[in-house]
Amino acid sequence: EVQLVESGGGLVQPGGSLRLSCAASGFTFSDHFMDWVRQAPGKGLEWVSRIRYRSDSYSTEYAASVKGRFTISRDDSQNSLYLQMNSLKAEDTAVYYCARSYSGTFMFYLDVWGKGTTVTVSS
Amino acid sequence: DIQMTQSPSAMSASVGDRVTITCRASQGISNYLIWFQQKPGKVPKRLIYSVSSLQSGVPSRFSGSGSGTEFTLTISSLEPDDVAVYYCLQHSSYPLTFGGGTKVEIK
Repeated sequence: EVQLVESGGGLVQPGGSLRLSCAASGFTFSDHFMDWVRQAPGKGLEWVSRIRYRSDSYSTEYAASVKGRFTISRDDSQNSLYLQMNSLKAEDTAVYYCARSYSGTFMFYLDVWGKGTTVTVSS
Repeated sequence: DIQMTQSPSAMSASVGDRVTITCRASQGISNYLIWFQQKPGKVPKRLIYSVSSLQSGVPSRFSGSGSGTEFTLTISSLEPDDVAVYYCLQHSSYPLTFGGGTKVEIK
């Protein structure tokens, strides 16, 4: 079964840091770009970040709202995706989803999502 | 950034009705358009990719069409299980951007 499981969310004070993880199974993780998408309480979906695969030098993209504060990374040997979040703000409060992304075709593009992990930034 | 404007933001229709949701891009996005369904308290689910390709396992009453800057998601015959918020997403350029969502309810 293709599966993504996020972890690492929690309550953090403004200005603090958190590291989210996403464990992948059931597919060849290294063959896919991977994305983070978030959803603030009662709000819509917001794309956060992307990391490409090895042949694209693991290059990354970020939303303007998180650029310079968040860092996406991956460990293909562990089938894991990460999101290091620093200088957190109240507006970063959201459910964070990891999602399988591009793999040379669009057939599997954002077709599998984890259940999400909740990040709450509050004093 | 490419803005994705969805309409309507909410709607109520009867079981069996034909439902159409529109997504308008602020500039051309070719066929880089995906539709998602998010039921209350659930994870977003991909329905349609590349404008009109139906995700495996998604009922055939869902269809997508459009080109350039205007796209539609159609539910040919609304069922109670279709109560959800529907989002479009453009992946033509960074940052990827979602529409604001359309909440579909049963009348």
